[in-house]
Amino acid sequence: NAGVTQTPKFRILKIGQSMTLQCTQDMNHNYMYWYRQDPGMGLKLIYYSVGAGITDKGEVPNGYNVSRSTTEDFPLRLELAAPSQTSVYFCASSYEPRYNEQFFGPGTRLTVL
Amino acid sequence: DAKTTQPTSMDCAEGRAANLPCNHSTISGNEYVYWYRQIHSQGPQYIIHGLKNNETNEMASLIITEDRKSSTLILPHATLRDTAVYYCIALNQAGTALIFGKGTTLSVSS
Repeated sequence: NAGVTQTPKFRILKIGQSMTLQCTQDMNHNYMYWYRQDPGMGLKLIYYSVGAGITDKGEVPNGYNVSRSTTEDFPLRLELAAPSQTSVYFCASSYEPRYNEQFFGPGTRLTVL
Repeated sequence: DAKTTQPTSMDCAEGRAANLPCNHSTISGNEYVYWYRQIHSQGPQYIIHGLKNNETNEMASLIITEDRKSSTLILPHATLRDTAVYYCIALNQAGTALIFGKGTTLSVSS
């Protein structure tokens, strides 16, 4: 199993540009998550999904959109990039989270200039 | 907001036990406490979780007080590779996602 994979690993965007961060898991997990981590801080939940077709906002959803058309994929969309979105983005997945560990991807480091 | 509080940093000598405390006085009686760690800028890694009883696995032990207001993660023989940020975590209100705080930076030195 590859686990949770994220692409790209690094990206530099100009203000106002758009991009999609890709996340795929091969563990057949229903739950998937997007977090961002600013320097020296803990992870902040952006969006999550409890299954295909179902998504919900986390702590910091503004400026982002998600979709979940399949169990495996959970892309994160930035429509109008802003410097405040410079961060490291982590995708994660799990079975029912109360009893099971979350598996995290390696992260995408995004810089908006 | 995170339901847990931890010290910002701790030091430990290599080979000694590392005891990382966590206060979670506001979690309810049926909420688990989860521990993860993050080495450098990698994705967080699961360590252990528990509800009421003490738990042990190959990585660590988790001691939860009887009143469930606090817990301690124990790394029995810390190594340099255990240097990381350790997060004590509870789920969000819906029980669907982990809510991270700032964690404790553990520095293990020789």
